[in-house]
Amino acid sequence: EAQVTQNPRYLITVTGKKLTVTCSQNMNHEYMSWYRQDPGLGLRQIYYSMNVEVTDKGDVPEGYKVSRKEKRNFPLILESPSPNQTSLYFCASSLSPIGGHYGYTFGSGTRLTVV
Amino acid sequence: AQKVTQAQTEISVVEKEDVTLDCVYETRDTTYYLFWYKQPPSGELVFLIRRNSFDEQNEISGRYSWNFQKSTSSFNFTITASQVVDSAVYFCALSEAAGGTSYGKLTFGQGTILTVHP
Repeated sequence: EAQVTQNPRYLITVTGKKLTVTCSQNMNHEYMSWYRQDPGLGLRQIYYSMNVEVTDKGDVPEGYKVSRKEKRNFPLILESPSPNQTSLYFCASSLSPIGGHYGYTFGSGTRLTVV
Repeated sequence: AQKVTQAQTEISVVEKEDVTLDCVYETRDTTYYLFWYKQPPSGELVFLIRRNSFDEQNEISGRYSWNFQKSTSSFNFTITASQVVDSAVYFCALSEAAGGTSYGKLTFGQGTILTVHP
């Protein structure tokens, strides 16, 4: 089944403890990106990647890192999480940055709480 | 910079009513793509439609229809004869084509919470 897999689905952590949210897709998509969803703000793009080793900042990149060493994986790294990074996170992929005929494929989301 | 505005934060209707969700966008580029996504209470994002800037034909899919008007930079979504299962958050989004100043960025609106009462 074609899908984007994010792990974990839920995570509670403490301020300053480094964490990684994994994202993997099995559709050979070149484009991948990360979003955070907050009430009243919709989804905001954190980082995106056009292809392996090509990443760029979205609208809210502060406090996050990404890497794209393989086409299928695009992990989101929080080096020193803070409470304002408590949010619902989504990973997405697509054949191209403009989305395919069926748009972007999103993962199921990761609900992160930083205390 | 691109921007998407969904002015309606919440809409509440009774089943079988028609409802229109508004979406207004801003972009400097002539080639771009517009999307609608549905987020049901379970939380996943469900793709509904993609429309490119050169195709202003309205689209109908069952009870769903979309009205794209470049003149007013709007891409509105109408649900006819709403049902309880339509209750969800709906997002409009914009992506610019290759060569655009924001190529690679996908910008979402704030979302509209639709509640359909039985």
